[in-house]
Amino acid sequence: QVQLVESGGGVVQPGRSLRLSCVVSGFRFDTYGMHWVRQAPGKGLEWVAVIWYDRSRTFYADSVRGRFTISRDNSKNTLYLHMNSLRVEDTALYYCARDSLMATRRPGYFDNWGQGTLVTVSS
Amino acid sequence: EIVLTQSPATLSLSPGERATLSCRASQSLNIYLAWYQQKPGQAPRLLMYDASNRATGIPARFSGSGSGADFTLTISSLEPEDFAVYYCHQRSAWPITFGQGTRLEIK
Repeated sequence: QVQLVESGGGVVQPGRSLRLSCVVSGFRFDTYGMHWVRQAPGKGLEWVAVIWYDRSRTFYADSVRGRFTISRDNSKNTLYLHMNSLRVEDTALYYCARDSLMATRRPGYFDNWGQGTLVTVSS
Repeated sequence: EIVLTQSPATLSLSPGERATLSCRASQSLNIYLAWYQQKPGQAPRLLMYDASNRATGIPARFSGSGSGADFTLTISSLEPEDFAVYYCHQRSAWPITFGQGTRLEIK
């Protein structure tokens, strides 16, 4: 079955960097776009970034553009989120999610989710 | 940015009752709207996509309707496991956005 497992979260000081990973299994990773979605404690969902299945394009939320970079290694079935210049307001549970559309360069929905990895930015 | 406004913020109902949740967009989405259910400590789960299509494994008591800027999620007869937070999500335009959520609680 489809599985997505995030890792790399932790406690980090403001201004520092962190890299999240999401290892997937149970489907052809290289045929689906992949997203990061975050949820601050007790708050709603916020979409963060997407990368197309073939790595041809990436899109970001305004709140993270220029600081975060989404990437993927299709040979390792792994999605990444490189987070630089972290802020207190980046504190959240970060989910990776599979796009529902196969081999397309437009966003679909989020049809499979990991359990998330918690990032806490605090001095 | 397209703003999605969900109402009500909290809905208090009893098992067996009918639930109607609303999601209104700040501009037309065509039909490009989805609904998710999130229970405490769990990741969200896709319920409905393209406004009215049930995702895989979703019971028939869940239905979605609407197009343009007004959408509705209906649960015809609430089961105990349906009490959760529900989010709408649009893919019509960048950036992708979510509504703020409706908490469905047991009365």
